Amino acid sequence: EPEVTQTPSHQVTQMGQEVILRCVPISNHLYFYWYRQILGQKVEFLVSFYNNEISEKSEIFDDQFSVERPDGSNFTLKIRSTKLEDSAMYFCASRARGGNQPQHFGDGTRLSIL
Amino acid sequence: AQSVTQLGSHVSVSEGALVLLRCNYSSSVPPYLFWYVQYPNQGLQLLLKYTTGATLVKGINGFEAEFKKSETSFHLTKPSAHMSDAAEYFCAVSGSNTGKLIFGQGTTLQVKP
Repeated sequence: EPEVTQTPSHQVTQMGQEVILRCVPISNHLYFYWYRQILGQKVEFLVSFYNNEISEKSEIFDDQFSVERPDGSNFTLKIRSTKLEDSAMYFCASRARGGNQPQHFGDGTRLSIL
Repeated sequence: AQSVTQLGSHVSVSEGALVLLRCNYSSSVPPYLFWYVQYPNQGLQLLLKYTTGATLVKGINGFEAEFKKSETSFHLTKPSAHMSDAAEYFCAVSGSNTGKLIFGQGTTLQVKP
């Protein structure tokens, strides 16, 4: 069964540094998402992406965050200048066309900011 | 605005016992409802979904859930717990045009031998 893949599985970065989290969604999916889960808290929506543009973003997704689909397969989340509070598990998800289609999640990237 | 409340952050059952994980939602539009399971160090795996039609939906691993509009609930059940069911379970609602998911706080299911 096709799956969403995320790399790296764990990223350790110094505060203030830029980090790029990478995702390869399922190939025929059209809608892409990033979520994060701070340790011990619930999964929170960050951003949705469709037709090469952001379709919705949360309050968390400020100017430090950006997303890109640089080619036909990758979907990236960039944090420009990381803060301690950015430490979390970041999940990428994708889904097919149709609002009733479920999102398929990757295994996540654990981001640790020192 | 949409929201999800999962009653009980931790549920403990004995192997073979009934599993009941509670989820209540709030949505201003007809909701799509999902249950996901998360095993340690893994991503979220879809257990089941309700979109339209039959209100009792069956999912993987013997789980099922019933959509009750009058109670705004979507509780997850399994008749007989197995040790392998121990995991974190998340209820989620979707209703926006973008399909974003709003998650509950999650419920950790412990299964005792």
